[in-house]
Amino acid sequence: AQSVTQPDIHITVSEGASLELRCNYSYGATPYLFWYVQSPGQGLQLLLKYFSGDTLVQGIKGFEAEFKRSQSSFNLRKPSVHWSDAAEYFCAVDTSGGSYIPTFGRGTSLIVHP
Amino acid sequence: DGGITQSPKYLFRKEGQNVTLSCEQNLNHDAMYWYRQDPGQGLRLIYYSQIVNDFQKGDIAEGYSVSREKKESFPLTVTSAQKNPTAFYLCASSPANYGYTFGSGTRLTVV
Repeated sequence: AQSVTQPDIHITVSEGASLELRCNYSYGATPYLFWYVQSPGQGLQLLLKYFSGDTLVQGIKGFEAEFKRSQSSFNLRKPSVHWSDAAEYFCAVDTSGGSYIPTFGRGTSLIVHP
Repeated sequence: DGGITQSPKYLFRKEGQNVTLSCEQNLNHDAMYWYRQDPGQGLRLIYYSQIVNDFQKGDIAEGYSVSREKKESFPLTVTSAQKNPTAFYLCASSPANYGYTFGSGTRLTVV
């Protein structure tokens, strides 16, 4: 069975600093990979996705993620964090090859200090 | 604009009562999903439907029921058999494997 690990429950950064949120998955082949963001009391919004091809993926709001097959990782990055980036971030993995039922990580809460 | 509408935003349920959460989409997506979110536990799949008049149980279907009579609509009923229904419920839809579009959620509280 597939699984997704987000090792950091909380991450605190200063505004303007760089950010990296970690995501590791357990699966034999290359899965479909996603990052979502959730503001308090709201639904989730898709930031970016990886299916195949270039392992560095650009998303919305200035985010990017890099798929590293050797490390089974799909870490999310942003070069300069804004206060409005404070939210919950979820990594998701879909290995169903057609059923489109992803497994979500437990989320990482991003706190941004001024 | 296309999107997913969940209603109501807040819902209060008395003990032993069934309640229905609404989810409507105008994105022409075939697949629709219901998730439950509890603090620190991420999202857990309740039910999903990939075509009209067909749906499948997810990981935590006990105490819930759904219907999919129209492509646009996927209501979730929380029955009295669900002993701990207080949670944030999220509906999503997907056009095959291009990632989900989520609604803004319904917060259900037992009173």
